[in-house]
Amino acid sequence: DSGVTQTPKHLITATGQRVTLRCSPRSGDLSVYWYQQSLDQGLQFLIQYYNGEERAKGNILERFSAQQFPDLHSELNLSSLELGDSALYFCASSVKTHDRARGELFFGEGSRLTVL
Amino acid sequence: GQNIDQPTEMTATEGAIVQINCTYQTSGFNGLFWYQQHAGEAPTFLSYNVLDGLEEKGRFSSFLSRSKGYSYLLLKELQMKDSASYLCAVRDRRRGAGSYQLTFGKGTKLSVIP
Repeated sequence: DSGVTQTPKHLITATGQRVTLRCSPRSGDLSVYWYQQSLDQGLQFLIQYYNGEERAKGNILERFSAQQFPDLHSELNLSSLELGDSALYFCASSVKTHDRARGELFFGEGSRLTVL
Repeated sequence: GQNIDQPTEMTATEGAIVQINCTYQTSGFNGLFWYQQHAGEAPTFLSYNVLDGLEEKGRFSSFLSRSKGYSYLLLKELQMKDSASYLCAVRDRRRGAGSYQLTFGKGTKLSVIP
């Protein structure tokens, strides 16, 4: 158990719909990362938040948005869903206090999204 | 941009040794990670290298050469439970970016056979 909690574990929805994925980081971790993993693309970095502020952006579509709340949990919103959005969405957290810190990511179990 | 290459699949025999290579191209390098991911599960951290050389941790070792943009993960005394995907990930700071990013390779699927 990594200490990172993601809900829901599975989600089936239709094209055009909107879903929200939720993540609670490990106690004490200020950084939250969202990754998308599909069969042919591997783990793709979407976005990072640090203590409530957006810190880095990766290959996140405009239809997707995220935020981190004062209690440090994060939500990833996916809208106007397309078939190609079907994937496993991972949240990860880390604490990295200085440049030399290891700062490895601790991943949640993921939310498997199926768009029909 | 980031470019991380590792073999797609490898097969090895139980009890043997296997080496999984990873090459990368980046600037602002700040560390290389190896993660293990069993099918349908979350990736879990295995090792971290930021300086050149070998880091050993039990049956697993990881090596880094920053000048060559090269790393390998060495698994000894293979067990059936080691069948998984092994992900190489590079942390770097992009030009103009205020934060480090961790970019993953597509992973190497290792099958351990009896």
